Amino acid sequence: GESVGLHLPTLSVQEGDNSIINCAYSNSASDYFIWYKQESGKGPQFIIDIRSNMDKRQGQRVTVLLNKTVKHLSLQIAATQPGDSAVYFCARNRGSYIPTFGRGTSLIVHP
Amino acid sequence: DADVTQTPRNRITKTGKRIMLECSQTKGHDRMYWYRQDPGLGLRLIYYSFDVKDINKGEISDGYSVSRQAQAKFSLSLESAIPNQTALYFCATSDSLGTGGPYNEQFFGPGTRLTVL
Repeated sequence: GESVGLHLPTLSVQEGDNSIINCAYSNSASDYFIWYKQESGKGPQFIIDIRSNMDKRQGQRVTVLLNKTVKHLSLQIAATQPGDSAVYFCARNRGSYIPTFGRGTSLIVHP
Repeated sequence: DADVTQTPRNRITKTGKRIMLECSQTKGHDRMYWYRQDPGLGLRLIYYSFDVKDINKGEISDGYSVSRQAQAKFSLSLESAIPNQTALYFCATSDSLGTGGPYNEQFFGPGTRLTVL
């Protein structure tokens, strides 16, 4: 079956450093991979997506990399800020655009 | 004003009680979803609806039912609540294909924290 999982449950970084959050997947048949951010007490919020035929996509301060050879997805956050502290979920869409979510990584930004 | 609202935000109930969680949206989206979130398990899909006449089971629909009363309203019911249904419940919406924009983006409500004693 398919699954989406994150490598580490918690990531601690210093303010201003770059953060890299990783995700692995087991099934290659996905149309899109997506990253969501969930702040404490709130619902998840869409950050960025990447089509499965792409290797890289950049947004504002974020970059998503997709390595289909090793079935690995990463979210890079440049110059991490305290407001980036949240739980980050990777997800995948297939066909019907209903995402399957991974378990989440908690990003802690220290001042 | 919030685009996706959920009521109640918190609810404590007893085993065997019937509970309804409500979701309303002002985004004009066709698609609505109900998810359950448990610590360490991410989000799991309970039910989803692609339009008013369409209802589909997700991966964990047992013990739950839904009603799509209108395009803007999608309610989740627990017919006879049990303690392992204690969780955080999220409603979400998304735009349908062909209307442009990021098809993958779901818009989530603030969540309902349900405790079943």
